[in-house]
Amino acid sequence: DTGVSQNPRHKITKRGQNVTFRCDPISEHNRLYWYRQTLGQGPEFLTYFQNEAQLEKSRLLSDRFSAERPKGSFSTLEIQRTEQGDSAMYLCASSPRYEQPDTQYFGPGTRLTVL
Amino acid sequence: GNSVTQMEGPVTLSEEAFLTINCTYTATGYPSLFWYVQYPGEGLQLLLKATKADDKGSNKGFEATYRKETTSFHLEKGSVQVSDSAVYFCALSDPHTGGFKTIFGAGTRLFVKA
Repeated sequence: DTGVSQNPRHKITKRGQNVTFRCDPISEHNRLYWYRQTLGQGPEFLTYFQNEAQLEKSRLLSDRFSAERPKGSFSTLEIQRTEQGDSAMYLCASSPRYEQPDTQYFGPGTRLTVL
Repeated sequence: GNSVTQMEGPVTLSEEAFLTINCTYTATGYPSLFWYVQYPGEGLQLLLKATKADDKGSNKGFEATYRKETTSFHLEKGSVQVSDSAVYFCALSDPHTGGFKTIFGAGTRLFVKA
């Protein structure tokens, strides 16, 4: 069990650029979640996948954000036309089918800085 | 809506001191309650959990009791160590709406001095 991995760990970009983050969940975890954590705050829920289906999206996820999990394994989170307010830590979590959905295993996060 | 409020930090203690971090919640139903810990440079880790009133979650010497009457879930440890220095997050999820969305407090940073 290697844990949830996220890449890259750090990303610095200029305002207006597009960025994409990847999350690899723990093997055979069918549920996957994205959260955003700004400095000094707790994580905020963004979206939830069960297998390849995106079942819930927060209103925090504006039109510039899109998340996919095409084969029910890894997931990507893309932000288009980044803004300085997008600077945050983006956390991914996964959960196995044999546990409750609220039992979530978190990755180390991708820290995004928008200049 | 559902929310979590926890005491502001930082909290600074000497080794072997008693720790309390207060957490209260607002929820329309009967949420599950959690404490997560985030060590420097690492991801969030579940520390303990309680799913119904009067349940006590415990792990690594930490305890928290689900108090429905006071809507609280305070974290306690009888004797802290330097290695407990981290950020602690209180959180809830509502199993009646699927349980997949965890709502976190703002976090409380703990410093333990040797």
